[in-house]
Amino acid sequence: EIVLTQSPGTLSLSPGERATLSCRASQSISNNFLAWYQQKPGQAPSLIIYGASSRATGIPDRFSGSGSGTEFTLTISRLEPEDFAVYYCQQYGGSPKTFGRGTKVEIK
Amino acid sequence: EVQLVESGGDLVQPGGSLRISCAASGFTFSSNPMSWVRQAPGKGLEWVSEISGPGKDTNYADSVRGRFTISRDNSKNTLYLQMDSLRVEDTAVYYCAKWGRDYGAWRTYFDYWGQGALVTVSS
Repeated sequence: EIVLTQSPGTLSLSPGERATLSCRASQSISNNFLAWYQQKPGQAPSLIIYGASSRATGIPDRFSGSGSGTEFTLTISRLEPEDFAVYYCQQYGGSPKTFGRGTKVEIK
Repeated sequence: EVQLVESGGDLVQPGGSLRISCAASGFTFSSNPMSWVRQAPGKGLEWVSEISGPGKDTNYADSVRGRFTISRDNSKNTLYLQMDSLRVEDTAVYYCAKWGRDYGAWRTYFDYWGQGALVTVSS
């Protein structure tokens, strides 16, 4: 099973600042099959990034994904008020599909 | 517009059974593989099970294999999860999730999610 470790656990930032979230895999993820989701309180997760760097439909370009192998990054270039949420990475290159424990981006 | 609407969540005693459903609309359900993903209260996400479009191929997390059964009725555009021998640790919100498609192939990332069904296992 591929274990995904997300860091930091919590990121305290102000609107307009840049957010950099990390997701490290215990083994290389084939074909960079890595996705990122955003979850707000009381809501279902929503897809932001798939294939490590492809933005999902309707996702603004302030969100970008990068990385390969075992190291992946989600960057939010300038935080908007609606971006404060929990972010999860998920790998779908191996079985079982696994998620990281999440990074909470909170308002400083 | 893609919609996934779960139903059937309830309070059940340990050892009991429950079936939850997910009604789908806005896409070609019969060709789209689907999954169930759960989230225990205050915890992260856990993939539970998956099923191919025709329904012939299924897969389960070790934590539920032998107790849970995923199925689908493509004539009703509905996904199911039959949960037997329920344990306290199965308490969670259960989300149905639609697989995405990339370069013409189905991929197990989830491009749409339902709002979730709360299953509580407690005596």
